[in-house]
Amino acid sequence: DTGVSQDPRHKITKRGQNVTFRCDPISEHNRLYWYRQTLGQGPEFLTYFQNEAQLEKSRLLSDRFSAERPKGSFSTLEIQRTEQGDSAMYLCASSGMTGGVYNEQFFGPGTRLTVL
Amino acid sequence: GEDVEQSLFLSVREGDSSVINCTYTDSSSTYLYWYKQEPGAGLQLLTYIFSNMDMKQDQRLTVLLNKKDKHLSLRIADTQTGDSAIYFCAPSKDNAGNMLTFGGGTRLMVKP
Repeated sequence: DTGVSQDPRHKITKRGQNVTFRCDPISEHNRLYWYRQTLGQGPEFLTYFQNEAQLEKSRLLSDRFSAERPKGSFSTLEIQRTEQGDSAMYLCASSGMTGGVYNEQFFGPGTRLTVL
Repeated sequence: GEDVEQSLFLSVREGDSSVINCTYTDSSSTYLYWYKQEPGAGLQLLTYIFSNMDMKQDQRLTVLLNKKDKHLSLRIADTQTGDSAIYFCAPSKDNAGNMLTFGGGTRLMVKP
């Protein structure tokens, strides 16, 4: 396994369009996380899944945002009616358990979204 | 919630030591992580320390924790140009796989 992968790496869209990003976690990891990172800031938590269940959502995740992990493997993050303020790097991470405790989160390279 | 503060910028000469500082507010933080982010890349875990430790050394990296003051530092010995990156600290309450709260990051610039 080569790690967490994200697709696309870059996305440019016009305001008002919908966009969808994909994340493939490390295969044996049952937890998957989405973070958003704006320029000059640290990553901010958006949501996370355990298998296919979405366990927590940040208040940053407005009703224009939806995330899914239908089969407990890859996940998608969709943004509807994009706004310029959505421009950011969207990071995905995954973690798994060893001996009953979760290991650290492994991050993907991110998807950079630019909304014109 | 947790607030995490870091200084924005640090510049050092190649071969010198770098010290990156972090303060946090939640005294129940038990796992304290340091991540590195190179330009255009995701985050890479560098090291971490448990709250029952004062110090952890891992090759050129030394993490110091002052739990009373909620202050964490990362020292990089013999800093190299390849260490130029943004460094984030991220305290966590547990190892139950919950979300991380990151500081704003410290940009380290290493001059040859």
